[in-house]
Amino acid sequence: GENVEQHPSTLSVQEGDSAVIKCTYSDSASNYFPWYKQELGKGPQLIIDIRSNVGEKKDQRIAVTLNKTAKHFSLHITETQPEDSAVYFCAAGSDLYSGGYQKVTFGTGTKLQVIP
Amino acid sequence: GAVVSQHPSWVICKSGTSVKIECRSLDFQATTMFWYRQFPKQSLMLMATSNEGSKATYEQGVEKDKFLINHASLTLSTLTVTSAHPEDSSFYICSAAGYAGELFFGEGSRLTVL
Repeated sequence: GENVEQHPSTLSVQEGDSAVIKCTYSDSASNYFPWYKQELGKGPQLIIDIRSNVGEKKDQRIAVTLNKTAKHFSLHITETQPEDSAVYFCAAGSDLYSGGYQKVTFGTGTKLQVIP
Repeated sequence: GAVVSQHPSWVICKSGTSVKIECRSLDFQATTMFWYRQFPKQSLMLMATSNEGSKATYEQGVEKDKFLINHASLTLSTLTVTSAHPEDSSFYICSAAGYAGELFFGEGSRLTVL
């Protein structure tokens, strides 16, 4: 099955600096790579996702890059703000078109702390 | 984005009792929902895939008789923890697949078994 590794486990940055979280995956069949933000005591919230036919995707201060050859993908948050503090999870999975749903495997999570 | 609601958000029960957690997709129909378990400071572990109108598919190591899943309609899936014990205490989260296949998560349900 799929195995997703995520680094670092904790990350502290000054407000306004950039934060980068990296993930690697093992299954070359994976073609869907979402990132989730989880605040304490809440469920994960999808913040951005990328599919394997795209190398990079950006949404305001958040960007994700994918290197399918190397099987790694990264989340980049620029101009970090205190409200960005949370646990971030990467995930990898397959677009099961016949079933119409994604089955994803989560990374181990990164606790991001943005220091004001 | 689409909204997935979980209820209750927290529950405390006595050992040996059963607890039901509901997962509803509020503004879309979800043929498929997923149930996860999350221990403190750990990642989400998929427990089972819930398909509307059919039996759930459980991940390896998850006891199907312990964690009963029912997906009776396109907007509701339930997880029942039967004969709960303290080791079942955890944060249970559901997700529903949207029209484009993306996953939307509920807010989670914290179960504490005394």
